[in-house]
Parts: sequence; structure tokens; C-alpha cells
Amino acid sequence: GDSVTQMEGPVTLSEEAFLTINCTYTATGYPSLFWYVQYPGEGLQLLLKATKADDKGSNKGFEATYRKETTSFHLEKGSVQVSDSAVYFCALSGGSGGGADGLTFGKGTHLIIQP
Amino acid sequence: DGGITQSPKYLFRKEGQNVTLSCEQNLNHDAMYWYRQDPGQGLRLIYYSQIVNDFQKGDIAEGYSVSREKKESFPLTVTSAQKNPTAFYLCASSRLAGMNTGELFFGEGSRLTVL
Repeated sequence: GDSVTQMEGPVTLSEEAFLTINCTYTATGYPSLFWYVQYPGEGLQLLLKATKADDKGSNKGFEATYRKETTSFHLEKGSVQVSDSAVYFCALSGGSGGGADGLTFGKGTHLIIQP
Repeated sequence: DGGITQSPKYLFRKEGQNVTLSCEQNLNHDAMYWYRQDPGQGLRLIYYSQIVNDFQKGDIAEGYSVSREKKESFPLTVTSAQKNPTAFYLCASSRLAGMNTGELFFGEGSRLTVL
């Protein structure tokens, strides 16, 4: 079945550092790929998405490129802020399930930004 | 404003009791989902529904039940048969069931604690 693997956390960085959170996936078919963010005690919010190979999703300074050849969708940001501290989830849709059964999520990466 | 409302936000239950978590959406979405979130395990799908009066089991349906009598409502009952019900429960919806758009919209979550 479909699966998503993302780097374990917590990841601790200083403010203004460069961020990379790795995400790789296994899926049959042609999935859409997503990054969601969860702030403490809240639900998940969509951060960005990409629906086909070589697409780049971007939002709030975050970027991720859909790399079919390496089955990856790594999240990057050039200069992180304290307010970026949250849990980040990589997810896919479509793969073998066709999208009807929701998303397959990675386990989440807890990001901590220190001032 | 359009969105997904979950209630209650916090719930305490004694062992052996059934509890029902409410989820209402006014986004006119076809599909609705229930996920369970545990620390370090990401999100796991409990049940989902693509249309009224129909629903499907997800990966961890045992000990849970749902109903979909109205398009906007998808309540989850955690029964006494669920061995380890303490968790954070997230309800989500999406616009087009069965389509590879994939984006889910989440509620704020309900935290259930069994005493």
C-alpha cells in the first residue's frame, strides 16, 4: 500500500536558519503530495501541495518540489522564524486508493525554532 | 464563516462508557473523515464517508462507529470495545469524493481522555 516516510523529530533550529524536512513516498499510480502544518492544540492546515511531477508548491516562504524520479517532496524554507514552530506532516493522495479514502500521512516532524 | 466544527474540544470518559464526538461542516463537502492522532504515530484513518447514508472502514475501525444521516454531519462514537481510546481525534472533509484533488479541511480536534 501507499506510505509516506519523513524525518523524525524534533528538529531544533535557530531563528533565520535554513530548513529542510525530508519526505519520501511509496505509491502506485500518480499521487498528489501535500504538506500540512499543525500548531499546538489545533487541527491541521494545508501549507502547500503539488499535483504532478516537477510541480513546485509554495506558501508563506515554504517550498517543496514533486520529484517523481526520487519519490520525494522535501519541505524547505530559507529563513525560519519562531512562529514556524509546529508539527509538519507530509501526505499523499490518489496513489492506489484513487483519492476516495483520504490522505496517507507521515508520522510528522516537530520543528522547534529558538530565538 | 465556512468550516468544520468539532465538539467537545475536551472530553473525559470513564472506562466502559460510550462517547460520541460531533463533527459538522458547512462547506457543502461530499466526503468526511475521522482520523486518530497519537504521539509519534501521525494520523490514522478510522472511518470515512463519501455520500450520505454510506461509510467505509479505515485502517483502525475496531471499537468505533459512525453515521452519516446528513451531508453536513458525521458523528463518531467511541465504544467501550475500543481498548485504548485516549487520543486526539480529528474530523476532516473534502470537496469531491473519489477525485484525485485530495485536499482535506480539518476541524480543531477533540481530545478524549479515559480515566
